[in-house]
Amino acid sequence: GESVGLHLPTLSVQEGDNSIINCAYSNSASDYFIWYKQESGKGPQFIIDIRSNMDKRQGQRVTVLLNKTVKHLSLQIAATQPGDSAVYFCAETRNAGNMLTFGGGTRLMVKP
Amino acid sequence: EADIYQTPRYLVIGTGKKITLECSQTMGHDKMYWYQQDPGMELHLIHYSYGVNSTEKGDLSSESTVSRIRTEHFPLTLESARPSHTSQYLCASSDPNIQEQFFGPGTRLTVL
Repeated sequence: GESVGLHLPTLSVQEGDNSIINCAYSNSASDYFIWYKQESGKGPQFIIDIRSNMDKRQGQRVTVLLNKTVKHLSLQIAATQPGDSAVYFCAETRNAGNMLTFGGGTRLMVKP
Repeated sequence: EADIYQTPRYLVIGTGKKITLECSQTMGHDKMYWYQQDPGMELHLIHYSYGVNSTEKGDLSSESTVSRIRTEHFPLTLESARPSHTSQYLCASSDPNIQEQFFGPGTRLTVL
């Protein structure tokens, strides 16, 4: 069946280091993936997305890598800052259109 | 910044009360969604709508109901609140041509 899951519930990194948050999915038909950031007391906010015809996409300080062979998605954050502390969710489309399936979330904690 | 609003932000209510959680968006999006989320956990889709007069149940069974009389408004109602309904409720909307969903800030509901 379809599932999106994250490997680690909590990731603790030193300020200035790079962070890598991982996500696994099982539906090989998934064609679109999104990373969301959710700060405490707020709704999820879009960070970056990637389509299945790409294996890498870069934004400002963030990079998403997609490995379709092993159905793995990762979010890399360069020079992690205290403001990056949040819960990060990956999500995938299921069926056609806008329905998203969310994973369980990884909490990123940035140590000063 | 996404223009999607939820009220109230926090609600503490006694068992058996009827409540309505409000969600409004000013982006003209046809699709709207309600998710239920326990703290730090994944989002579960409970209702969605393709447009006016359209409502569908999501993956997670919920005792709540929704209505979509106007494009911009998608309220969620619990006829008789119970402690098991204690959770965060997130509303989102999307444009049919874009797969990204925009989220509101959420309503944190506590039923005593």
